[in-house]
Amino acid sequence: KNEVEQSPQNLTAQEGEFITINCSYSVGISALHWLQQHPGGGIVSLFMLSSGKKKHGRLIATINIQEKHSSLHITASHPRDSAVYICAVRKGSQGNLIFGKGTKLSVKP
Amino acid sequence: DAGVIQSPRHEVTEMGQEVTLRCKPISGHDYLFWYRQTMMRGLELLIYFNNNVPIDDSGMPEDRFSAKMPNASFSTLKIQPSEPRDSAVYFCASSFVGHYEQYFGPGTRLTVT
Repeated sequence: KNEVEQSPQNLTAQEGEFITINCSYSVGISALHWLQQHPGGGIVSLFMLSSGKKKHGRLIATINIQEKHSSLHITASHPRDSAVYICAVRKGSQGNLIFGKGTKLSVKP
Repeated sequence: DAGVIQSPRHEVTEMGQEVTLRCKPISGHDYLFWYRQTMMRGLELLIYFNNNVPIDDSGMPEDRFSAKMPNASFSTLKIQPSEPRDSAVYFCASSFVGHYEQYFGPGTRLTVT
């Protein structure tokens, strides 16, 4: 079993919809990261969090340490949000990450 | 800063050839990571360095893979000899201790025929 599981694997939404991507992990972590991989392949870090909630523009990330679960929400989705969203966890004090398989999001106009 | 720089962006080579991938981290960052991404396995850590010293190379698939970081501004990932199953996108990332957000390079798409 993978240490980091994401759901759904694929998601298609209409422009303007509210989107939720889930991430569950089975190990103790020091932090959780959400990454975005554009269709061209580039990877950008969206959030790094160890508790609570963070917001950046239309993106919101939450984490529940007790339940070992995190969610990434996108409000008022737009076709430019189409990308693969990857959850990754950091187990120790060092920097190495363990990745989920990603959620491929497609937002239709 | 220009961000993390990787070269080449694309590499096509024949089985058995030596391949060298290069990475220049963001100036001042003291962690450097090499990742491999395939359709089947997603993103996987190969090796990472702290202050130019390899810390964890447990993700390096086999002895054909080696990585070096001779100074704070340069790292190489070498595959010798290359095999078709090494075909993947190889990413380099760097971060600054105490911050931990990782900055990824654009990746090198390797195709071994």
